[in-house]
Amino acid sequence: QKEVEQDPGPLSVPEGAIVSLNCTYSNSAFQYFMWYRQYSRKGPELLMYTYSSGNKEDGRFTAQVDKSSKYISLFIRDSQPSDSATYLCAMRGNNAGNMLTFGGGTRLMVKP
Amino acid sequence: DSGVTQTPKHLITATGQRVTLRCSPRSGDLSVYWYQQSLDQGLQFLIQYYNGEERAKGNILERFSAQQFPDLHSELNLSSLELGDSALYFCASSVSPQAGSGANVLTFGAGSRLTVL
Repeated sequence: QKEVEQDPGPLSVPEGAIVSLNCTYSNSAFQYFMWYRQYSRKGPELLMYTYSSGNKEDGRFTAQVDKSSKYISLFIRDSQPSDSATYLCAMRGNNAGNMLTFGGGTRLMVKP
Repeated sequence: DSGVTQTPKHLITATGQRVTLRCSPRSGDLSVYWYQQSLDQGLQFLIQYYNGEERAKGNILERFSAQQFPDLHSELNLSSLELGDSALYFCASSVSPQAGSGANVLTFGAGSRLTVL
């Protein structure tokens, strides 16, 4: 079993829909949680960053962390065709030697 | 443009050959990471350097090696190439070794696409 699980999709939604992307993890030591967006044939780019539990909002994007359930989510409101990409969650623990662990990514397609 | 520069963008070679991928980190970043991304394995961490020294090793094959030079650029050497080595290879950089903690963002380059025939 992988340390971070993510449904690969693809997830297809109409323009304007609310999108929910999720990751589950098994390592209770994870404290830092990130979402990266990767367009086709490009490198991943950091979208959202959260520390520990709670919500964080940035424009149309909201990141949620529920450490008790070992579950993180990314919500996209008013989705646009330009949001079509692969979304990767990433997380790490607090210790200096920890490395970022990535989920496998969920491919999202927003249809006009 | 993320500020992390990778060359070449595309590379086609034959089995058994050796290639070198090059990475220049974002200005001010001292740590360089190499990742391999394939369809079935996702983003796999290979190796990390910090200020010229190897910092951490992931699932890097013995046929692969890397180094970080005094000017902080890094090279990933892949030898005795096999068909299964075909993948996207990403370089990423961060200011300190603990990428992902606090404001220590991990920034990726655009990748080098390697095709082994």
